[in-house]
Amino acid sequence: EVQLVQSGAEVKKPGESLKISCKGSGYSFTSYWIGWVRQMPGKGLEWMGIIYPGDSEIRYSPSFQGQVTISADRSITTAYLQWSSLKASDTAMYHCARHRTDFGGPHDAFDIWGQGTMVTVSS
Amino acid sequence: DIQMTQSPSSLSASVGDRVTITCQASQDISNYLNWYQQKPGKAPKLLIYDASDLETGVPSRFSGSGSGTDFTFTISSLQPEDIATYYCQQYDNLPDTFGQGTKLEIK
Repeated sequence: EVQLVQSGAEVKKPGESLKISCKGSGYSFTSYWIGWVRQMPGKGLEWMGIIYPGDSEIRYSPSFQGQVTISADRSITTAYLQWSSLKASDTAMYHCARHRTDFGGPHDAFDIWGQGTMVTVSS
Repeated sequence: DIQMTQSPSSLSASVGDRVTITCQASQDISNYLNWYQQKPGKAPKLLIYDASDLETGVPSRFSGSGSGTDFTFTISSLQPEDIATYYCQQYDNLPDTFGQGTKLEIK
């Protein structure tokens, strides 16, 4: 079964660092782009960026460039989203999702989604 | 960034009704448009890709059409399990952008 399994919910204080994960299984991890999507409480979906685990090519949304770091470890088929200094405004559900095809380049639909990781940042 | 304007933002309909949601792009995106369904507390689910192609396993009551800047998503006969929020997404230009969502409720 193709699936993405995300790490569990996190509660952090402003200024702390955080790295959340998204483990892929059931498919060739290095062949499909994986993206991250933010959903603030009660709000819509925001595309943050994507990574191609095959060569670690990354594309960020300008809105998130410099605010987060996307990475992947091919050896353990896991993608990551990290913050060096969290803010209260980072409180949100974060979804990872896989591109539908292995030939669409960075432009494609997301067909497989993780269950989401809730990040709460509060003093 | 390409702006996606989705309407209506909310919609109340009866079981069996035909439901239509529209999405307008701020520039020509050809057919690079997807539709997702998100139920409360769940991850989004891909329903339609490339504007009109039905994802495998998705019921045929869901359909999509359009190209260029104007797109339509239709549920031909609303079922109780279709209660959700629906989003369009363009993937012609990075960053991908989503519409603001349409919350569908049963009347």
